[in-house]
Amino acid sequence: SAVISQKPSRDICQRGTSLTIQCQVDSQVTMMFWYRQQPGQSLTLIATANQGSEATYESGFVIDKFPISRPNLTFSTLTVSNMSPEDSSIYLCSVGTGQKPQHFGDGTRLSIL
Amino acid sequence: GNSVTQMEGPVTLSEEAFLTINCTYTATGYPSLFWYVQYPGEGLQLLLKATKADDKGSNKGFEATYRKETTSFHLEKGSVQVSDSAVYFCALTIGGSYIPTFGRGTSLIVHP
Repeated sequence: SAVISQKPSRDICQRGTSLTIQCQVDSQVTMMFWYRQQPGQSLTLIATANQGSEATYESGFVIDKFPISRPNLTFSTLTVSNMSPEDSSIYLCSVGTGQKPQHFGDGTRLSIL
Repeated sequence: GNSVTQMEGPVTLSEEAFLTINCTYTATGYPSLFWYVQYPGEGLQLLLKATKADDKGSNKGFEATYRKETTSFHLEKGSVQVSDSAVYFCALTIGGSYIPTFGRGTSLIVHP
């Protein structure tokens, strides 16, 4: 299975700033996904990141707030823009290949002051 | 639509106790079913899966059987350890989709 590295593992940020989260995979994958896990909650899909095309966002998430890049088949970034305390969450990157179950990175634990 | 319902947590047990975490689902079609585990400070790891009715998934002493008649996929372990303390997520996928629908998660706390 793919090995997924996420950076940073955690951060504390000021209100109004932006943070870019990186996701690196040790093999080429077609589909990469970004999730948000709010405290005590389940996972919510933010967007699907495909190489060579715009990310596909789920209802309630917009590109201006969560811009995503996918420059190649092993790397993606998610930016959380103009952060507020409500953005305090765990952000998780995952990869999917065919019909195999998704594999997740360890997540980025983000707190906004 | 598709949905997954898990029992509320936290579930608190003593070491070597028997564990059951209930999971039921609603799905259009025939889903594949999964249990993921999230240890403290980590991401989600696939624990086990079952892709058709009556299949039993198993791993690390955990088991779950795909019950189509009751639309359930309950997670069980005969003797839990402190190291099993984590949050457990039940999930499903439908057809060719590789985007799971997750339950809310159930926290398990095992005391020595």
